[in-house]
Amino acid sequence: EAQVTQNPRYLITVTGKKLTVTCSQNMNHEYMSWYRQDPGLGLRQIYYSMNVEVTDKGDVPEGYKVSRKEKRNFPLILESPSPNQTSLYFCASSDRPYGYTFGSGTRLTVV
Amino acid sequence: QQQVKQSPQSLIVQKGGISIINCAYENTAFDYFPWYQQFPGKGPALLIAIRPDVSEKKEGRFTISFNKSAKQFSLHIMDSQPGDSATYFCAATPFSGTYKYIFGTGTRLKVLA
Repeated sequence: EAQVTQNPRYLITVTGKKLTVTCSQNMNHEYMSWYRQDPGLGLRQIYYSMNVEVTDKGDVPEGYKVSRKEKRNFPLILESPSPNQTSLYFCASSDRPYGYTFGSGTRLTVV
Repeated sequence: QQQVKQSPQSLIVQKGGISIINCAYENTAFDYFPWYQQFPGKGPALLIAIRPDVSEKKEGRFTISFNKSAKQFSLHIMDSQPGDSATYFCAATPFSGTYKYIFGTGTRLKVLA
């Protein structure tokens, strides 16, 4: 089944403790992206990647890092999480410049 | 100029009625306008999309109307069903491939049985 898989689905962590949210797609898509979803703010793009080793900032990149060492994987790294990064995170992939397929989301709580 | 303004924030419609969600944008570089549907606990899924060279696109009960001069586009759900109850997001992006989507803030639709 073609899908984007995120892990974990739920995560509670403490301020300052580094964490990684993994994202993997099995569709051989070149394009991948991370979004955060917050009530009243919709979906905001954090980072995106057009191919292996090619990444760029979205609209809200502060406090996040990404890497794209393999085509299928696009992890999101929070080096020092803060409570304002409590959110619902989605990874997405596409083989064209439109029509993203989204993962099921990771709900992160930073206390 | 990067915003996409979506309204209403929430919408309640009777079964069989028409649901209408509106979006407006400022950036004339946007030339691809998708709508995404999100059910609770799931990621958004592409529902329907339009490019500004047409004024309307229909897929089943879902229609996008596009007004280029007004920089507005809307989603119409005909014969709305309880299974359509979800959150709907409009979005915009330059089709030339920056992959920088700008999403609206979402509309929570509830269709009453």
